[in-house]
This record gives sequence, structure tokens and C-alpha cells, in this order.
Amino acid sequence: GDSVTQMEGPVTLSEEAFLTINCTYTATGYPSLFWYVQYPGEGLQLLLKATKADDKGSNKGFEATYRKETTSFHLEKGSVQVSDSAVYFCALSETSGSRLTFGEGTQLTVNP
Amino acid sequence: SQTIHQWPATLVQPVGSPLSLECTVEGTSNPNLYWYRQAAGRGLQLLFYSVGIGQISSEVPQNLSASRPQDRQFILSSKKLLLSDSGFYLCASRGVSGNTIYFGEGSWLTVV
Repeated sequence: GDSVTQMEGPVTLSEEAFLTINCTYTATGYPSLFWYVQYPGEGLQLLLKATKADDKGSNKGFEATYRKETTSFHLEKGSVQVSDSAVYFCALSETSGSRLTFGEGTQLTVNP
Repeated sequence: SQTIHQWPATLVQPVGSPLSLECTVEGTSNPNLYWYRQAAGRGLQLLFYSVGIGQISSEVPQNLSASRPQDRQFILSSKKLLLSDSGFYLCASRGVSGNTIYFGEGSWLTVV
């Protein structure tokens, strides 16, 4: 079945540092890939997505590129802020399916 | 985009008491609807999903149940809560024409 593997957290960075959160996936078809962010005490918000190979999703300075050859969708940001502290979830959805498969989440803490 | 309303936002219930969490969706029709649970410090677990009125699929056997009495209403219930039912419950929706899943703000359940 489908699965998503995220790098283990927690990740702690200083403000303005470069961020990478690794995500790899296993799927039988050609899934769409997503990054969701969860701020403390809140629900999940869609951060970015990519629907086919080589697509790059981007939002709020975050980027992720759909790499079919390495089955990866790593999240990157060039300069993190304290306000980026949150839990980040990588997820996939089969285009013909009806469910979203999540990774375990990565806790990011950015210190001033 | 869709808007998902969940209530109550916070709930403290004694062991053995019943539960009803309600979710309604605006901005789409005939959505796929989902209930996820997030235990403290862990990832998201899909509990139920529904592709239409009265159609419920259960992912994990447990003492919870779900119902979909109307197209954009999804209810999570229990007749007798267990301590292990404590967690953060998230309702989610995916429109028929899209592959993005949107989440509500979540409901915190503490069973004491």
C-alpha cells in the first residue's frame, strides 16, 4: 500500500537558517503530493502541493519539487522565521483514490 | 475553497459517557469526508471516510462510529468513551473535482 516517510524530528534551527525536511513516498500509481502545516493547537493547513513529476510547489517561501526518480518531495526554505515553528506533514493522494496518506510529521522549532 | 466547521472545539468527558462531534462543510457539494485522529505527539490516523450520504468506511476497528446524514454533514460518535479515545480529532473534506483535502480546526477530546 501507499506510505510516506518523513525525516525524524524534532528539528531546531536558528532564525534565518536553511531548512530541509526530507520526505519519500511509496505508491502504486502516480500520486499527488502535499505538505501540510499544523501550528500549535490548530488544524492542518495546506502549505503547498504538486500533482505530477517535476512540478514544484511553493508558498510563503517554502518549496518542494516532485521527484519521481527518487520518489521524494523534500520541503525547503532558504531563511526560516520564528513564526515557521510548527509541525509539518508530508502526504500523498492517489489520483484515482479517495484517501490521503500522511507521514508521521516533523516538529520544527525556530529560535530567535 | 472549502470551509470546514467542527464543534465542539474542546470537550472533557468521563469514561463511559457518549460522544458526538459534528462537522459541516461549505463551498462544495458531494465531497469525500474524513475523520482523522491525532494522539499527542504522533501522526494522523484515518478513522473513517465517506464518499456519499450513508456511505461510511471504517479504517480502524474501535468503539467509535461515524454517520453522514446529509451531504455536507459528518458526525463522529461513541456510545461509551475509553481513556484511549483522548486526542485531537480532525474533520477533512475533498471536493469531487479536486485532489486537495482541506481540514477543519479540530476538536480536542480529553477522556477522564
